[in-house]
This record gives sequence, C-alpha cells and structure tokens, in this order.
Amino acid sequence: SAVISQKPSRDICQRGTSLTIQCQVDSQVTMMFWYRQQPGQSLTLIATANQGSEATYESGFVIDKFPISRPNLTFSTLTVSNMSPEDSSIYLCSVEARHGGDEQFFGPGTRLTVL
Amino acid sequence: LAKTTQPISMDSYEGQEVNITCSHNNIATNDYITWYQQFPSQGPRFIIQGYKTKVTNEVASLFIPADRKSSTLSLPRVSLSDTAVYYCLVGDKNRYGGATNKLIFGTGTLLAVQP
Repeated sequence: SAVISQKPSRDICQRGTSLTIQCQVDSQVTMMFWYRQQPGQSLTLIATANQGSEATYESGFVIDKFPISRPNLTFSTLTVSNMSPEDSSIYLCSVEARHGGDEQFFGPGTRLTVL
Repeated sequence: LAKTTQPISMDSYEGQEVNITCSHNNIATNDYITWYQQFPSQGPRFIIQGYKTKVTNEVASLFIPADRKSSTLSLPRVSLSDTAVYYCLVGDKNRYGGATNKLIFGTGTLLAVQP
C-alpha cells in the first residue's frame, strides 16, 4: 500500500488569489493523479502527472488554471490559480499501485473554500 | 472508457446483506470492474476488482454475469460504519497488470445503514 499526505488539509481563500496544494507519497511512484470533488458530487479527474514530463490534462481543465509540478517520484503540487467561488471543492491526489496491485491509493483531500 | 450507471442511494439496516448493482453496457473486452468506497471527508478506498464470474475478499463479493454488462457488489451483514458512497468503475489494467491508470468515477451510490 501507499500512504499519501496532502497539505493543507483545508483553506479559505479570497477570490483572485492562488493556492498550491502539496501531495507527498511514502514510496516512489511513476504516475500521480489529481482529482476534484465538488460539494455533493463525484470525483472528476483533472490531470495525470508523470515525473519528468508535462502533466496531461483532461477535457475542461487547462494548465494555466491548474499548473502541476512533479519534481520527483514522491511529490507533486497542484496550483489552483486566480480562484473564484466555483473552484470551491475538495482536491485529491492519488497514485497507482505498483507491480500488479489492483487499486489506486488516495490522499485525504484538501478542502478549498473560495470567498 | 465505459460509462457506468448505479442507483443514487440505498437504505439498509444493520446485519442485512446489501447488493448494489452497476450497469456498464459498453464494457470493453479488456476492461475490469472495480469498486471503491468513500467515507465523508476521506479519499476513496479500493474494495474489490473483478473481470468475470465471482470474486470474494474479506470485505465484499463481486458478481459479474457472463455478458459482463452489469455487476453486483455484495456487502454481507452491513454495520453502521458501512454508511458511505460506493463507486463502480470500469477500465483497462495498467502496464503492471494492476489497477487501471485513469479512474473515471460515476455518480456513486450513497448507502445509508440504519440501526
């Protein structure tokens, strides 16, 4: 299994500002994923982040709004830029299992409220 | 990736067996069926995965008919702590033969267990 931590666990931000969310894994993983979960909704994949390459974004998400860094095999950041109240969500990172494991492992999430 | 359809919510009582059915009419030959559980304020957690027939682990059973166009997650003797949202996902295995790389979450089923 993989243990994932996220910082901050929650934050309240003003419109127009940016927030960087950190995701730390206790083991080296190739692929990391960032999801958004709006209040009362399911999870939506934002992007896939491989170490050493540009993140791959899903339809409806762009790098200028959600820049992602992946400097090494245990760490990634997601920045929510120029925030508006519509960005209020829980942001989660996840990692794939290695060597044949069936599951992905998720972090606890970062609850973001934009005023 | 195949789309899934699940009931929005289900109610049950402690000690009962709960069966949650998921439809995935467009499942591809290489797709596996995976179920995740999500408690409030937590990231999703893997429950079980299968390809066909029946899979059982210490938590649940997964029944998949021959045509694979649906699947049923069975939770034996639920308790209050099983109250959560349950997601059914379908997708291909990753390059390690493990969990699918890209998880596309549907609406999920909110299971409410009452005393």
